Amino acid sequence: EIVLTQSPTTMAASPGEKVTLTCRASSSVSYMHWYQQKSGASPKLWIYDTSNRASGVPNRFSGSGSGTSYSLTISSMETEDAATYYCQQWSSNPPTFGGGTKLELK
Amino acid sequence: EVQLVESGGGLVQPGRSMKLSCAASGFTFSDYYMAWVRQAPKKGLEWVASISYEGSSTYYGDSVKGRFTISRDNAKSTLYLQMNSLRSEDTATYYCARVGYDYVMDAWGQGASVTVSS
Repeated sequence: EIVLTQSPTTMAASPGEKVTLTCRASSSVSYMHWYQQKSGASPKLWIYDTSNRASGVPNRFSGSGSGTSYSLTISSMETEDAATYYCQQWSSNPPTFGGGTKLELK
Repeated sequence: EVQLVESGGGLVQPGRSMKLSCAASGFTFSDYYMAWVRQAPKKGLEWVASISYEGSSTYYGDSVKGRFTISRDNAKSTLYLQMNSLRSEDTATYYCARVGYDYVMDAWGQGASVTVSS
């Protein structure tokens, strides 16, 4: 099973600040997906296939990476971006999720 | 509009059974793999099970293998999760999810809460 480790676990960012969330895989994966989950709501697909924004996702969000290291970047933090972000792989079975990064507004 | 609506959650005693349903609409159900993902209170996401287009292939996480059964009825556009021998550690919100290209979970239901307690 591929273990995904997200860092940091929790962080706070000020409006306008650049934010980078990291996801490291225990073995190489072909791509990474990212989901956003706000408190009390279902997860939403946010970034798919490492770098593609899902429908409706603002272009301040971007994804990158390869092999065992992936990241999600927010170029300029906005209030609505406060949420928990999960990475997920299904390059090999079973599909696994990272533990999540909780992003708070400073 | 793609919609996934779970039902069937609630409070159940340890060792008993419960069946969740997920009604799909807004897309051709039989064109997609489907999955169940759960989230224990204040915890992260855990993949539970997935099923192929016609239901001929099913896959399970180790924590539920042998106790849970995923199935689907394409004529009714409905996904199911039969949960037997429930344990307290199965307490979670259960989400059904559509599995798209590159195995991305591109649509999620609102979730069904399952509490296993005496």
